[in-house]
Amino acid sequence: EVQLVESGGGLVQPGRSLRLSCTASGFTFGDYGLNWFRQAPGKGLEWVGLFRSKTLGGTTQYAASVKGRFTISRDDSKSIAYLQMNSLRTEDTAVYYCARVDSSGYDSPWGQGTRVTVSA
Amino acid sequence: DIQLTQSPSFLSASVGDRVTITCRASQGISSYLAWYQQKPGKAPNLLIYAASTLQSGVPSRFSGSGSGAEFTLTISSLQPDDFATYYCQQLHTYPLTFGGGTKVEIK
Repeated sequence: EVQLVESGGGLVQPGRSLRLSCTASGFTFGDYGLNWFRQAPGKGLEWVGLFRSKTLGGTTQYAASVKGRFTISRDDSKSIAYLQMNSLRTEDTAVYYCARVDSSGYDSPWGQGTRVTVSA
Repeated sequence: DIQLTQSPSFLSASVGDRVTITCRASQGISSYLAWYQQKPGKAPNLLIYAASTLQSGVPSRFSGSGSGAEFTLTISSLQPDDFATYYCQQLHTYPLTFGGGTKVEIK
């Protein structure tokens, strides 16, 4: 079964850092790109960033709201992707999801999400 | 950024009803559109991709149509399991963007 599991969320003070993990199973992780999304409480979905597969260059791309503060990396040997979040702001409070970019180019499946709360 | 406008934002319907949700893009996006279903406390689940292709395992009562800047998601006969929030997503241009969502509730 193709599965993604996020972890690492929690309560953090503004200005501090947090690293989320996305652990994959059931497929060859390195063959796929990975997107991170987030959803603030009671709000809609927002794209955070992308790490393309090696086949497509292994490059990253970020939303303007997180560029320069967030960094996506991946360890294909461990089937894990990371979202390093620095200089966190209260507006970064959300459930964070990772999603595989499947062979059709679309995001499926998504992980169950991990909650990040940025508050003093 | 490409803006996606979903309508309606809220919909009250009965089991067995035919339901249609519209998603309009601020510019043409060809067929690079997906539809998701999200239930409370759960991750979004891909229903339709490439505007009209049914994701594997999704019931055939769901269908998508459209291209360019106007798209629709149709549920032919609403079932109890379908009460949820639905989002459209464009994948034509980064940043990826979503519509504001349509919450489908029981009448």
